[in-house]
Amino acid sequence: EVQLVQSGAEVREPGTTLKISCKASAYSFSDYYMHWVKQAPGKGLEWMGLVDPEDGETRYAEKFQGRVTMTADTSADTVYMELSSLKFDDTAVYYCVVDLNWFEPWGQGTLVTVSS
Amino acid sequence: QAVVTQEPSLTVSPGGTVTLTCGSSTGAVTSGHYPYWFQQKPGQAPRALMYDTSKKHSWTPARFSGSLLGGKAALTLSGAQPEDEADYHCMLSYSSLHWVFGGGTKLTVL
Repeated sequence: EVQLVQSGAEVREPGTTLKISCKASAYSFSDYYMHWVKQAPGKGLEWMGLVDPEDGETRYAEKFQGRVTMTADTSADTVYMELSSLKFDDTAVYYCVVDLNWFEPWGQGTLVTVSS
Repeated sequence: QAVVTQEPSLTVSPGGTVTLTCGSSTGAVTSGHYPYWFQQKPGQAPRALMYDTSKKHSWTPARFSGSLLGGKAALTLSGAQPEDEADYHCMLSYSSLHWVFGGGTKLTVL
């Protein structure tokens, strides 16, 4: 069964950097784009960007450009999303989702809380 | 960046029919936006229901259908069931490898 397992909940102070992971299993990791999606509390979904695990190519939403870095480690079948200069409104659940079966499956989500 | 618009909330009676729409600030939504629809229930990750305007995943109930309607993407639910109560998110593709979600529609079955 294809699975995406994300790292656990995080608490960060404003201005710091966060790095969360998404480990893939049971499919050819390098062959499919991995996307990251943000969902702030009580809000809709927000596409942040994608990484191509095969060559590391990335595409970022304009809003996150300059603050986000998405990388892939093919030796570990894992992608990472790093978000810098954290702000209070970065508090959200962050999902990874692989474009294996038309934007399926999704990871379970990682709750990130930005608090002083 | 483009803005994708959805109805904030809709209500449908059990057994009834409802259409959710997905518009774009850049103009008419076309098949070239490859519209997606996702269903999300409380406390769960989203799940893709529809892609490429009208194509269904294997788990998508037959009562859901997708189309282009009046310059928007549309998701029609015919014969609503209580378990269809959820948030529905549309997503559109803009240029190469860039996607934008709408704000989501909270669907109540009542």
